[in-house]
Amino acid sequence: GNSVTQMEGPVTLSEEAFLTINCTYTATGYPSLFWYVQYPGEGLQLLLKATKADDKGSNKGFEATYRKETTSFHLEKGSVQVSDSAVYFCALRRGGADGLTFGKGTHLIIQP
Amino acid sequence: DGGITQSPKYLFRKEGQNVTLSCEQNLNHDAMYWYRQDPGQGLRLIYYSQIVNDFQKGDIAEGYSVSREKKESFPLTVTSAQKNPTAFYLCASSEFSSYNEQFFGPGTRLTVL
Repeated sequence: GNSVTQMEGPVTLSEEAFLTINCTYTATGYPSLFWYVQYPGEGLQLLLKATKADDKGSNKGFEATYRKETTSFHLEKGSVQVSDSAVYFCALRRGGADGLTFGKGTHLIIQP
Repeated sequence: DGGITQSPKYLFRKEGQNVTLSCEQNLNHDAMYWYRQDPGQGLRLIYYSQIVNDFQKGDIAEGYSVSREKKESFPLTVTSAQKNPTAFYLCASSEFSSYNEQFFGPGTRLTVL
């Protein structure tokens, strides 16, 4: 079946540090890949997505590239801010109206 | 403003009682979803619906039921058969394509006492 594995947290960084959150997946076919962000007590917001191999999704300084050869979709940001503190979820979606398969989430804490 | 609303934000129930969580969307999406979130577990799919009057079980459907009588509404009932119902429940909707992201509501935190 489908699965998503992402690095466990919490990940603690200082402001302006470089961020990488690793995400790898297992799925048949060609899934679409997503990163969502969740702030405390809220629902999930889409951060970025990629729908085919070698696509790069980007938003608010975050980037992730769909790597089919390594089945990965790592999230990166060059300089994090305190406001980036949240839980980040990597997810995949196979086709049609299928639901999303999520990783367990990575709690990111940015210290001033 | 288009979006998804869930009510109430917090819900308390006694053990053995059924409870229904509301989800409404005005995005004109065909597909709707219910997920359960537990600490350290990520989100798991409970039920989803691709079209009115049709729905499918997700990965953890036992102890839950849904209906889809209107395109914009997809209520979830947590029955007394659900062994561990305390959790954060999230509703989502999307257009019918794997390329499209799902849009999430603000969630309902259910606590069973």
